[in-house]
Amino acid sequence: QVQLVQSGSELKKPGASVKVSCKASGYTFSTYAMNWVRQAPGQGLEWMGWINTNSGNPTYAQGFTGRFVFSLDTSVSTAYLQISSLKAEDTAVYYCARRYCSSSSCSPFDPWGQGTLVTVSS
Amino acid sequence: QSVLTQPPSVSAAPGQKVTISCSGSSSNIGNNYISWYQQLPGTAPKLLIYDNNKRPSGIPDRFSGSKSGTSATLGITGLQTGDEADYYCGTWDSSLSAEVFGGGTKLTVL
Repeated sequence: QVQLVQSGSELKKPGASVKVSCKASGYTFSTYAMNWVRQAPGQGLEWMGWINTNSGNPTYAQGFTGRFVFSLDTSVSTAYLQISSLKAEDTAVYYCARRYCSSSSCSPFDPWGQGTLVTVSS
Repeated sequence: QSVLTQPPSVSAAPGQKVTISCSGSSSNIGNNYISWYQQLPGTAPKLLIYDNNKRPSGIPDRFSGSKSGTSATLGITGLQTGDEADYYCGTWDSSLSAEVFGGGTKLTVL
């Protein structure tokens, strides 16, 4: 079955970096775009952007440029989210989510990874 | 401040029906498909409704979606305690070139 499995929780100090992985299985990795969504503690969902798993081209939502980097390792069907210069306000659960996009529209996010909690604290 | 507006909470008794609204604008709901996601406590969001009113395989017909103009509604009938969750609407915003979500609605089954 289609599945996205993310790496485990991380505890980092301010200023450090973190890399979250999202391993896909059950489908052809390059056929679907991979999106990233952030959920701060007790808050709603915030779309961070997506990466084209065919070309590797990333697109970042407003507010997620500079310190956030999406990347791929297509040989192991895995997408990555790297956050540098971590701040306390980066503390959140980060989700990867698959969607299919044509030239005119995109499908909904389905499925989602189980989420990775990143805690930034000194 | 979310682009899409949802009520923070709704509640109803087991067996009853509840609706959750999602209000937007012509740049999002008005011209794009809406999806609904269910987030049970401590778990990842799960697709509940897509393309305004379609249910993925495995989602019971107790869940329904509708859209009119720049607003959408999620309906849940025959409420069960297992339906207690946060519900989010989401769609593409053509002006922002971004996916946008509502702030989420917490459903309590009394």
